[in-house]
Amino acid sequence: KQEVTQIPAALSVPEGENLVLNCSFTDSAIYNLQWFRQDPGKGLTSLLLIQSSQREQTSGRLNASLDKSSGRSTLYIAASQPGDSATYLCAVLTGGGNKLTFGTGTQLKVEL
Amino acid sequence: NAGVMQNPRHLVRRRGQEARLRCSPMKGHSHVYWYRQLPEEGLKFMVYLQKENIIDESGMPKERFSAEFPKEGPSILRIQQVVRGDSAAYFCASSPRRQGGNTGELFFGEGSRLTVL
Repeated sequence: KQEVTQIPAALSVPEGENLVLNCSFTDSAIYNLQWFRQDPGKGLTSLLLIQSSQREQTSGRLNASLDKSSGRSTLYIAASQPGDSATYLCAVLTGGGNKLTFGTGTQLKVEL
Repeated sequence: NAGVMQNPRHLVRRRGQEARLRCSPMKGHSHVYWYRQLPEEGLKFMVYLQKENIIDESGMPKERFSAEFPKEGPSILRIQQVVRGDSAAYFCASSPRRQGGNTGELFFGEGSRLTVL
């Protein structure tokens, strides 16, 4: 059974700081890995998707890496801003591409 | 191209009533997924459907819950005889028909928040 763990559970940083969010998964037989953002009371916004054959993806100030063999992914956020405050979810697609298994998220607060 | 549309966004039911949640996938998407997010918990997979077929319902509770995705119209998640423990946010996601070059990316709706009194 796939299990996804995210560390830390919560993080508070001053504006402008670079930060790293961690995600680990137990079964390396994944189809892809997605990072999402969820604002309070809102839906999920897809940030980055990394295919199992890829090592990293970049979008603006975000960079996500994937080490499938060790079951790890990191989301790097450069020059954090208060607008980045949200919960960040990592999810892996397994089961022949049928289901996403989510981590419990990292709640990020970027302070002025 | 409109995203995944879910309605209602908020639904209040009394114990024992029925709740029906609807999801219209993105245009051109034929795969629909339902996830549940309980308070202070992560999202859990419930069911995966294609048009007129349930492909994987391994995450669905054995009783009171059912899902369908008819040939015409939205996907429906139905909860009969709701109990307080059903209070949660229910998210729908869709993806394109799986074919060469498809990334397998899922696109999520805004969710339907069910409150059972």
